[in-house]
Formats: sequence, C-alpha cells, structure tokens
Amino acid sequence: QVQLQESGPGLVKPSQTLSLTCTVSSGSISSSIYYWSWIRQPAGKGLEWIGRIYTSGSTNYNPSLKSRLTMSVDTSKSQFSLKLSSVTAADTAMYYCARGLNYGSGTYIDYWGQGTLVTVSS
Amino acid sequence: SYELTQPPSVSVSPGQTASITCSGDKLGDKYACWYQQKPGQSPMVVIYQDTKRPSGIPERFSGSNSGNTATLTISGTQAMDEADYYCQAWDSSTVVFGGGTKLTVL
Repeated sequence: QVQLQESGPGLVKPSQTLSLTCTVSSGSISSSIYYWSWIRQPAGKGLEWIGRIYTSGSTNYNPSLKSRLTMSVDTSKSQFSLKLSSVTAADTAMYYCARGLNYGSGTYIDYWGQGTLVTVSS
Repeated sequence: SYELTQPPSVSVSPGQTASITCSGDKLGDKYACWYQQKPGQSPMVVIYQDTKRPSGIPERFSGSNSGNTATLTISGTQAMDEADYYCQAWDSSTVVFGGGTKLTVL
C-alpha cells in the first residue's frame, strides 16, 4: 500500500514562494510506469490539477500556473517537490500530492496524500 | 483550454439509481475517470478508463462514456455514497477535472 505524505509551511506570505515536499513510502518512486502529481483544492471548491513529474524529470504543468511553477524529484529520498512562486491569496488551498498512472490515452490518480493546508496571508 | 461540466448537485433516494453526468467536447474520444470525495477526506477513484472499477469499489458503481458525455451510475444508492464526485480526463498534456457534483442521498 503506497503512502504519500505532504510536508511544508502552512502559512506563506504574499509574493513569496510556496514550497511543499511529498514523501513516498511503501512503494518505489522510481517505477517508470507511475508519475507524481500535485493537485489543490480551495476550501469548499473543486479540484485543480497543478502538474506532474516522472522520475526521468519530465514534467507537465497546468498552463495557468506554468510560469510560476517548478516541480522536482529526488529518488534517493523517495520525495518529490513543488515550488510555486509569487503567491497570492488565490493560492490558498489544500494541496494534495498523488501518484498517477497512464493507460492508453488516459490517466488517473490511484493514490492520494492526506493533503496539507496552505494559507497565503501576511 | 478543455472544460468538463458537471451538474452542481444530484439528489437520490436510498436504494434508487443515481446518475451523474460529465460533459466535454468529444469526451467520448477520450478516457474518463471518476473520483469520490467525502468531507474531510482525500478523493478516491471509483471508475477509470470509462468503465473499470478498481479493486474494492462496489459493483453498484459503473461508468459509461460516449459522444460528449460520460456518466457515473450508482445503482441501489446507499447513504454511504453521499459525497462529492469529480470526473477527470486528459487533454493536451494536462489533467482536467470537472467542477464536481454533490450527491445527496435523502
């Protein structure tokens, strides 16, 4: 049973960079059939996909966030990370890390972390 | 950008069939999946690749996808199925989620 755990500051000041790390346990982060993703959800609202990274380093980002977004992976630590720069109050949300896999032309998330709440406020 | 549209809410009586739709341009040409999210919990996939159920998901959950609409059907709906449901597809190298549907069992 794969487990994912988000970690990082729960409070970030406006204009600063939001940094989160996800630690993967009970499963190999290095398997090439999976990718590692970030998804966020403002309180009371729907899910927004942030982006994904493969252990090869290949990434896909949400176009609306791409200019502010950097994802990275450290297989030696079984971790992957998110950096979102120039944050505003609109970036306040529950942030989930997750594992995904592809099938043909489709994809889905099979494991999710429990989520970490990040608030952007001065 | 690609958009998926869901009704904000659906109500169903216990034991009846609930249908939640997800609409998108030529969605039937893509694969759709569905997530269930209960209050205070992370989402969980209940249908992937249009019709497949992950292990542990009850048989009362089924899916279909044709034309511009994917549908999640819950037969014999139970009180425990009350939750938010999100559809999801893949388009132009991005994951796209629908806005979510709140299923009320009353």
